[in-house]
Amino acid sequence: DAKTTQPPSMDCAEGRAANLPCNHSTISGNEYVYWYRQIHSQGPQYIIHGLKNNETNEMASLIITEDRKSSTLILPHATLRDTAVYYCIVRVGYGGSQGNLIFGKGTKLSVKP
Amino acid sequence: DTGVSQDPRHKITKRGQNVTFRCDPISEHNRLYWYRQTLGQGPEFLTYFQNEAQLEKSRLLSDRFSAERPKGSFSTLEIQRTEQGDSAMYLCASSLVTGIAGTEYIMNTEAFFGQGTRLTVV
Repeated sequence: DAKTTQPPSMDCAEGRAANLPCNHSTISGNEYVYWYRQIHSQGPQYIIHGLKNNETNEMASLIITEDRKSSTLILPHATLRDTAVYYCIVRVGYGGSQGNLIFGKGTKLSVKP
Repeated sequence: DTGVSQDPRHKITKRGQNVTFRCDPISEHNRLYWYRQTLGQGPEFLTYFQNEAQLEKSRLLSDRFSAERPKGSFSTLEIQRTEQGDSAMYLCASSLVTGIAGTEYIMNTEAFFGQGTRLTVV
């Protein structure tokens, strides 16, 4: 079963920041938080991941709480092309032979003009 | 372009026929995953390979399904005697695992997905 909880849907105005929350209260010490998104009829696209520290790349920022029980994906200036289903996944990143991603239902983000 | 290629992109088949899909992972990646996705659901894990070894299979992978990765590069997923319930998007992903298996010194990079093969069984 997925180890994360996300709201089923969110709206965001174009040009504004989209903040997508995720709860992962049972996360283990060697599990990373990964975010993927899936635009309609395409394969999931990797966005960002982190272990403890906040991370930023050209697509997004990831804020992880100090207790690691929740995180927020931030799209700083959402565009219409960011409309997609966003998946938050916890996954063993080191110290184990696991690593298959377990997807939940994600958050459907609708960016509106 | 993620670098993971899947072929074909679309397949329509009659119930009872066999189908085979191919996945070419990113060339340096040693781990390969298969997922299935039905409408409105997130991708569901089917199986994964580390090089040519199939290390895990989910309960979703019935005996009509078989996956291979004979040389540790491309992989095939075959469905025998297709049923209408097999209609779905079949996704392939790959990642790189480095280090010593079974120890703390093993790292698994992020997985990159292909565009999927959409199967319709009529």
